[in-house]
Amino acid sequence: AQKITQTQPGMFVQEKEAVTLDCTYDTSDQSYGLFWYKQPSSGEMIFLIYQGSYDEQNATEGRYSLNFQKARKSANLVISASQLGDSAMYFCAMREGWNTDKLIFGTGTRLQVFP
Amino acid sequence: GAGVSQTPSNKVTEKGKYVELRCDPISGHTALYWYRQSLGQGPEFLIYFQGTGAADDSGLPNDRFFAVRPEGSVSTLKIQRTERGDSAVYLCASSPTGKGTGELFFGEGSRLTVL
Repeated sequence: AQKITQTQPGMFVQEKEAVTLDCTYDTSDQSYGLFWYKQPSSGEMIFLIYQGSYDEQNATEGRYSLNFQKARKSANLVISASQLGDSAMYFCAMREGWNTDKLIFGTGTRLQVFP
Repeated sequence: GAGVSQTPSNKVTEKGKYVELRCDPISGHTALYWYRQSLGQGPEFLIYFQGTGAADDSGLPNDRFFAVRPEGSVSTLKIQRTERGDSAVYLCASSPTGKGTGELFFGEGSRLTVL
């Protein structure tokens, strides 16, 4: 069965520094997609970045990049130049297969950015 | 509206009561998803609709939970004989086709508290 594991319940980072949030996954499918979502205290889930299993290059979106290591089944999120507004819960999620948008989520990492 | 809308934003009820939570997806999105998020956890899949039909209801915890989407747009999640363990934030999401073409767009959730 597919599974997403986030082993860091909480992370601290100083403003303007980079931080890596870990995510490992397990699936028997060859075609899948990996997502990161941000959930601020307001509760809404905000899409950050996507990586397809066949994408050869790591995805990047502004200050967000996804360090995709397929052999290790890891999809870590890297946030560069952290800002106070980055403080939130971050969830890694996986879409298994090519013909669905259904996502399975990890337990999340709470990131706190301090001045 | 432009985004996924959920009502009510907060609902407090007594154990044993019946509750309905409503979701209005982004206009034109054919796929609609319900997730449940307990405190400190990631979103847990409940059910998703492709058009009017439930394509996957494998996440519904028991027969007290039921969801409908009669016209392929608005969906209602119905919970009978509520229990304290049903207390959670219920998130709704939609996607354009449900066929692996993109991310899920989430609403801000309905917080259910069962006393």
